[in-house]
Amino acid sequence: GESVGLHLPTLSVQEGDNSIINCAYSNSASDYFIWYKQESGKGPQFIIDIRSNMDKRQGQRVTVLLNKTVKHLSLQIAATQPGDSAVYFCAETFTGGSEKLVFGKGTKLTVNP
Amino acid sequence: NAGVMQNPRHLVRRRGQEARLRCSPMKGHSHVYWYRQLPEEGLKFMVYLQKENIIDESGMPKERFSAEFPKEGPSILRIQQVVRGDSAAYFCASSPRPARTGDYTFGSGTRLTVV
Repeated sequence: GESVGLHLPTLSVQEGDNSIINCAYSNSASDYFIWYKQESGKGPQFIIDIRSNMDKRQGQRVTVLLNKTVKHLSLQIAATQPGDSAVYFCAETFTGGSEKLVFGKGTKLTVNP
Repeated sequence: NAGVMQNPRHLVRRRGQEARLRCSPMKGHSHVYWYRQLPEEGLKFMVYLQKENIIDESGMPKERFSAEFPKEGPSILRIQQVVRGDSAAYFCASSPRPARTGDYTFGSGTRLTVV
């Protein structure tokens, strides 16, 4: 399954499928990007990050891709599990300043068993 | 390490009252960030503080909102004369130094409801 972030804020996939969540960021000066997972009633939880000098980074079951040309970020989750159901946010920052995060609106991922 | 502690978890205030939200950073963390989250939206930066100093308050509304991080005790976000539009979840995050991604740890938030 695939989302386009702001234009499709919900994504529903079957357990075991791969999920792709997309994000368009706004500031071409941003040099650090993070994906967060937020479960209902909780604060954002760090998933994976990537610096602007990279275009891909892999973690456990997750991969982040960065395309600076079109200011696009994506999160790929392999073999999605029911525990992955949450809202996913991308965030950007410029590490030369106060390093405040600018968050996207988020995509709600629902994993059906 | 108990993580970032925010209290209260839920706060109900009538219009015109004051709201005080507290954030105790992780042990050893001296940098605190406050964010606000409206329903169905991402978090919006409000203010960045170090002990006894406001470093960046570019996201704070000009009136009624203030923040402090005293030498001793938690960081406080104070909203005077609350209005319905202040209803939101308020999150703080702490860091041992200016945040480098994974150093950022968020609390579970305070959900403010103005009635």
